[in-house]
Amino acid sequence: QVQLVESGGGVVQPGRSLRLTCRTSGFTFSENSMHWVRQSPGKGPEWVAVVWSYAGHTDYADSVKGRFTISRDISKSTLYLQMTSLRVEDTAKYYCVPHRGSYSNWYFDVWGRGTLVTVSS
Amino acid sequence: ENVLMQSPGTLSLSPGARATLSCRATQSDITSMTWYQQKPGQAPRLIIFDSSTRAPGVPARFSGTGSGPDFTLTISSLQSEDFALYYCNQRDKFGQGTRLEI
Repeated sequence: QVQLVESGGGVVQPGRSLRLTCRTSGFTFSENSMHWVRQSPGKGPEWVAVVWSYAGHTDYADSVKGRFTISRDISKSTLYLQMTSLRVEDTAKYYCVPHRGSYSNWYFDVWGRGTLVTVSS
Repeated sequence: ENVLMQSPGTLSLSPGARATLSCRATQSDITSMTWYQQKPGQAPRLIIFDSSTRAPGVPARFSGTGSGPDFTLTISSLQSEDFALYYCNQRDKFGQGTRLEI
């Protein structure tokens, strides 16, 4: 079955960087677009970024554009999120999720446990 | 930019009652909505996709209806395990959630 294991979270000061990793198994990683979704304490989910299976094109939420970079290593079935210039408002649990559905109507049927990022001085 | 507005913010009902949760999009041309359930300390769980298709394992008491801009999640007869947070979602946007409480 599909497994998603996020790691790399922790406590970091504002302005610093962090790289999240998501190791996947149970599906053909190279054929799947992959997303990062985050959820701040007490708030609803927020979509962060996607790497499309086709040619590895990427899209980002306005709130992270220019600061975060999503990437993948197909040989390792692993997804990454490089986060720079971190802000207090980036504090959240970060989930990697496989894309389901179409380009215009997508959904997420499998979630990992997430990894917690806390940005605090 | 599409914004999803969920109502009510909190819905207080008794087990066995019928729950109706609403989600309105600011863009009227959207054609599909997704619904998630979330319980404390857990990741969101997919309930409904493509507006009306139940995810595998979701009980038949859950149903989704609607078309842009108004969508509805209905739980026909509430069970104790249904009391949770519910979020609507369309592509990269999530609603602010409806808390369904006993």
